[in-house]
Amino acid sequence: DAGVTQSPTHLIKTRGQQVTLRCSPKSGHDTVSWYQQALGQGPQFIFQYYEEEERQRGNFPDRFSGHQFPNYSSELNVNALLLGDSALYLCASSLAQRSSRETQYFGPGTRLLVL
Amino acid sequence: LAKTTQPISMDSYEGQEVNITCSHNNIATNDYITWYQQFPSQGPRFIIQGYKTKVTNEVASLFIPADRKSSTLSLPRVSLSDTAVYYCLVGLDTGRRALTFGSGTRLQVQP
Repeated sequence: DAGVTQSPTHLIKTRGQQVTLRCSPKSGHDTVSWYQQALGQGPQFIFQYYEEEERQRGNFPDRFSGHQFPNYSSELNVNALLLGDSALYLCASSLAQRSSRETQYFGPGTRLLVL
Repeated sequence: LAKTTQPISMDSYEGQEVNITCSHNNIATNDYITWYQQFPSQGPRFIIQGYKTKVTNEVASLFIPADRKSSTLSLPRVSLSDTAVYYCLVGLDTGRRALTFGSGTRLQVQP
């Protein structure tokens, strides 16, 4: 049973470019959440997709957008990259329960470096 | 969403038992307590989750007192590979179904 997978593992971009990151959830999961983790800090919630719609969003600008496909996989897009977007981007999948018992399982992450 | 407080860092030696305590004074009645482990440049890994008393799995034990205002993650006989950051999370921002991470506890295991 494959866990959460993400691609690519590493990425280097320059300021102003656009990037797309991909995530496949754990088998049986229907919800995908994206987090950004800067060096030395805990992950910060970007947004969450459920039933192919963005259900919730953290404090991130509209430059961050996403998509969920019918097979529950998801993409994170970031436009007009800034140096401050350099971080580890984490995808987490879960089975919707709407309680704090819902457990999110994380992928290995994509390390993005913006030059 | 319950705020958590845990030590910034801890040091231990191989073979010792490590206990990391997390304070969550304003935990809500329906909140579960979840611990994650994270190695550098990897995604957090789910360790254990509990609601009350004691939970044990093949990796760790979680002790939760009756008032649930704190919890203790216990790692038996740690090895060098247990060197990581450990996050205590309480509840889920159910309005967003998002996890709110603090700074975690950096555990350094030495030989």
